[in-house]
Amino acid sequence: SAVISQKPSRDICQRGTSLTIQCQVDSQVTMMFWYRQQPGQSLTLIATANQGSEATYESGFVIDKFPISRPNLTFSTLTVSNMSPEDSSIYLCSVAGVEDTQYFGPGTRLTVL
Amino acid sequence: DAKTTQPNSMESNEEEPVHLPCNHSTISGTDYIHWYRQLPSQGPEYVIHGLTSNVNNRMASLAIAEDRKSSTLILHRATLRDAAVYYCILRGFRGGSTLGRLYFGRGTQLTVWP
Repeated sequence: SAVISQKPSRDICQRGTSLTIQCQVDSQVTMMFWYRQQPGQSLTLIATANQGSEATYESGFVIDKFPISRPNLTFSTLTVSNMSPEDSSIYLCSVAGVEDTQYFGPGTRLTVL
Repeated sequence: DAKTTQPNSMESNEEEPVHLPCNHSTISGTDYIHWYRQLPSQGPEYVIHGLTSNVNNRMASLAIAEDRKSSTLILHRATLRDAAVYYCILRGFRGGSTLGRLYFGRGTQLTVWP
């Protein structure tokens, strides 16, 4: 299994600002994923981040709003840009494990005022 | 990925077995059945997965119907710590384009009473 940490664990931000969320894994992994969980909802996949290539975004998510970096095999960042209250969610990163399982980080709880 | 249908909520008493159902009538022959759960204020955690045969691990058992159109996650003795949202997800490998991606449904909220 992989141990994943995220920073910050939570934040309160003003609308119009941006927040960068960090995801650190304790081992080298090829595939990393970013999810959003809006209040009371299930998880929605934002994008897939592979090292050495641009992130692949799911329908409804764009790079200008959610730029992602993947500088190496243990680290990734997700930026939530020009935030509005609708961006208030929990943001989670995950990594692919063996046999197509995934390990998730603890999440970053974002509140936008 | 094919769609799954789960009850919105279920309840159990502590130390009793729990059977969480999942319907996936449009499953294809290459789709694996995965179960994850999300404890309160935590990220989801992998529980179990299988293709055709029943599977057991330290956390749970997965019973898959012979026609694979439904499956059941079995918690043999529920504890208070098992209270969580349980997600049944189908994972296929159609050309590798969705490799690794998980598409979550609404899941089943399991309440465990002491």
